[in-house]
Amino acid sequence: DVVMTQSPLSLPVTLGQPASISCRSSQSLVHSDGNTYLNWFQQRPGQSPRRLIYKVSNRDSGVPDRFSGSGSGTDFTLKISRVEAEDVGIYYCMQATHWPITFGQGTRLEIK
Amino acid sequence: QVQLVESGGGVVQPGGSLRLSCAASGFTFSRYAMHWVRQAPGKGLEWVAFIRHDESSKYYADSVKGRFTISRDTSKNTLYLQMNSLRAEDTALYYCARDRTNFDFWGQGTLVTVSS
Repeated sequence: DVVMTQSPLSLPVTLGQPASISCRSSQSLVHSDGNTYLNWFQQRPGQSPRRLIYKVSNRDSGVPDRFSGSGSGTDFTLKISRVEAEDVGIYYCMQATHWPITFGQGTRLEIK
Repeated sequence: QVQLVESGGGVVQPGGSLRLSCAASGFTFSRYAMHWVRQAPGKGLEWVAFIRHDESSKYYADSVKGRFTISRDTSKNTLYLQMNSLRAEDTALYYCARDRTNFDFWGQGTLVTVSS
């Protein structure tokens, strides 16, 4: 199975400051069709997961442009340019290139 | 708008069975692959099962293989998860999610508790 390793697992951030979450996979996430199926999800307290980013760097409709995704191969990053109070929650990366589909452990973002 | 509504959760004894449902609306259900994903209390997300739009392929996590069965009824726009031989470690909030790679929409989840 592809292991997805996120860091840090806990991320205290001051309002208005940037934040960055790393996600590393144990093998390349480039699919035979040329796509890289790496998604990022946000789970606010008491809510279902919400997709923020798909295929590494494509932001979902309605997601603020302070969120961005980047990376390639086995190394990926989710960045928040200026953290707002509504960003509190747990962030997960997920790969859908290989079976079984696997998620990172989650990174808990909190306001300092 | 796209909606996924799970139901069927509850409390069940170890070794028991439960069938979860996920009612889909707001999109052409027959065109989309679907997944079940679960989240144990206070834990992260775990993919459980997948079914192609035409049921030609089904995949399962090793942790549920041989015990859980995913299916769908296009006439009812509903996804199912038949869970047999339930164990304490199956206790979780179960979500359905849309699409093979995208997971672009999720339901609100239905809670399964396996306890004597």
